[in-house]
Amino acid sequence: SQTIHQWPATLVQPVGSPLSLECTVEGTSNPNLYWYRQAAGRGLQLLFYSVGIGQISSEVPQNLSASRPQDRQFILSSKKLLLSDSGFYLCAWDRGTDTQYFGPGTRLTVL
Amino acid sequence: EDKVVQSPLSLVVHEGDTVTLNCSYEVTNFRSLLWYKQEKKAPTFLFMLTSSGIEKKSGRLSSILDKKELFSILNITATQTGDSAIYLCAVNKGAQKLVFGQGTRLTINP
Repeated sequence: SQTIHQWPATLVQPVGSPLSLECTVEGTSNPNLYWYRQAAGRGLQLLFYSVGIGQISSEVPQNLSASRPQDRQFILSSKKLLLSDSGFYLCAWDRGTDTQYFGPGTRLTVL
Repeated sequence: EDKVVQSPLSLVVHEGDTVTLNCSYEVTNFRSLLWYKQEKKAPTFLFMLTSSGIEKKSGRLSSILDKKELFSILNITATQTGDSAIYLCAVNKGAQKLVFGQGTRLTINP
């Protein structure tokens, strides 16, 4: 069966510091991968998605970037965090079907 | 602009009550509508609906889609405290795009 991992689970970072969040999927190959952000009390906002290694599509212009160095690895990065980057970051995958499956998330607090 | 709107945003009921959560949408290229339950962390998949009028059921939860009126409902009967969660509705518009509603925060009091 497929499993999706995210780390770290929680992160507290100062404004202006860099960020690297990692997501890996096990038990499948060539998945579509997604990064979402969920602000408090709000729905999920799609940030990036990837249909293959090195292929990244950005949905919202922002202070973040994404990379997919391996088939089942998806990384969310920032060179300098802003206060507004705080939130709950979720990674998800699918295999070309309509249903996406989510990882456990990373709660990021920028101070 | 694509839009998915859930109502109510928040609901508090007593254990044993029946609840109905609503999701309306205006989305180009509709493919399917999905419901997720989010407790503390990852949203977990509940239902995917593609056809109007066909009820999907899992235990005490059921859902139905109306593609003419552009809405879906999620029903939970005989609610339990474990049903307390945020319920998210999302519309798949193809090309790797899910558009989410704001979610309904459901609280079940014993």
